[in-house]
Amino acid sequence: GAGVSQTPSNKVTEKGKYVELRCDPISGHTALYWYRQSLGQGPEFLIYFQGTGAADDSGLPNDRFFAVRPEGSVSTLKIQRTERGDSAVYLCASSLAGIEGADTQYFGPGTRLTVL
Amino acid sequence: AQTVTQSQPEMSVQEAETVTLSCTYDTSESDYYLFWYKQPPSRQMILVIRQEAYKQQNATENRFSVNFQKAAKSFSLKISDSQLGDAAMYFCAYRSVLYRDNYGQNFVFGPGTRLSVLP
Repeated sequence: GAGVSQTPSNKVTEKGKYVELRCDPISGHTALYWYRQSLGQGPEFLIYFQGTGAADDSGLPNDRFFAVRPEGSVSTLKIQRTERGDSAVYLCASSLAGIEGADTQYFGPGTRLTVL
Repeated sequence: AQTVTQSQPEMSVQEAETVTLSCTYDTSESDYYLFWYKQPPSRQMILVIRQEAYKQQNATENRFSVNFQKAAKSFSLKISDSQLGDAAMYFCAYRSVLYRDNYGQNFVFGPGTRLSVLP
């Protein structure tokens, strides 16, 4: 079956603009995660959904970042008033059951966001 | 909070040879999971191998094996018979067993090691 997909693969925007990044998880996966990966670093947790609700959004850096998953499948990460420091690769992952146990996360290819 | 350290920013290996990537972590927990992920230039993170801390036996997946030293908090990855397709960034990751309110601190990646495979 299809893996995790993310669109767009690349996004270039200007400082101050609003962007939306989309993640389509593996069908049937109830858990969905967003990470941010800056150049030369490992992924950094942003937010975790279990079904439609954000079970943990403690990794969101500030209130300009917001994510939704209204039907428990596709998720959108929204960034308002983008800043140059938001430039990074945004990774999405999904898993079957959630964080209990060694639940394997399957990652998408990421969206590379560049803020000029 | 847990931390994961990978002290080798870059490594290289000759094709068909063996290479070992290092990872150390810091935790006060007695039970947890450890992972190695591979990230090729396509950016897609792929799970290579995982280890449950309560298991003394080192995990093995084909050419990939780990040396898990719980007391030393060390979790190295050995790649045998290296192939050109093994060239990628490799990330070590730690995950707590139990869910707590602060999930974000319970799944932590290291900074990565870039592996080059020389023909």
